[in-house]
Amino acid sequence: KAGVTQTPRYLIKTRGQQVTLSCSPISGHRSVSWYQQTPGQGLQFLFEYFSETQRNKGNFPGRFSGRQFSNSRSEMNVSTLELGDSALYLCASSSNTGSYGYTFGSGTRLTVV
Amino acid sequence: AQSVTQLGSHVSVSEGALVLLRCNYSSSVPPYLFWYVQYPNQGLQLLLKYTTGATLVKGINGFEAEFKKSETSFHLTKPSAHMSDAAEYFCAVSVRKGYSTLTFGKGTMLLVSP
Repeated sequence: KAGVTQTPRYLIKTRGQQVTLSCSPISGHRSVSWYQQTPGQGLQFLFEYFSETQRNKGNFPGRFSGRQFSNSRSEMNVSTLELGDSALYLCASSSNTGSYGYTFGSGTRLTVV
Repeated sequence: AQSVTQLGSHVSVSEGALVLLRCNYSSSVPPYLFWYVQYPNQGLQLLLKYTTGATLVKGINGFEAEFKKSETSFHLTKPSAHMSDAAEYFCAVSVRKGYSTLTFGKGTMLLVSP
């Protein structure tokens, strides 16, 4: 069974640009969540999608957005990048609400210069 | 809202020694509790989880944790550390009510010396 696949693994962007990250969940999983991980703030929840609907949203500015497609694949977009957006972005999938445990991808390391 | 506190940002043990990583949680409703491990430049791997039932939970790689409701704790232990256990460990909580997401602790870096 394939795991959670995140692409790309590494990304370097310039301040002011926008970026799109992709996540393919485990087959059959309908819930996809995104987390930002930084040394200072740790792991912070961005948003969760279930069956193409955003079900939960963390405390991030509107520059951070996401969507989920009918095949459960998800993308997150960050517009007008700032230096502080440099982080490891992790995607996690679950078959339900997460109560059975999330499976995480390897992450996308975003560096903003 | 729920929260997680992990005591000690770094824990050092010798190979073969007991590993104890502490986790306390706060939740107004019955929690689900998780331990994840993260190796450098990788994602999070689920070690074990507590949902319902037996309070002593066994996970992968010889780790186990015990849910103690009276102490609001979910400490992670392993009888004998191995060099390959060196990594960062995260405790996380979600709740059974509604649609819940994971709230993580700040993490504990486990260092294992020969």
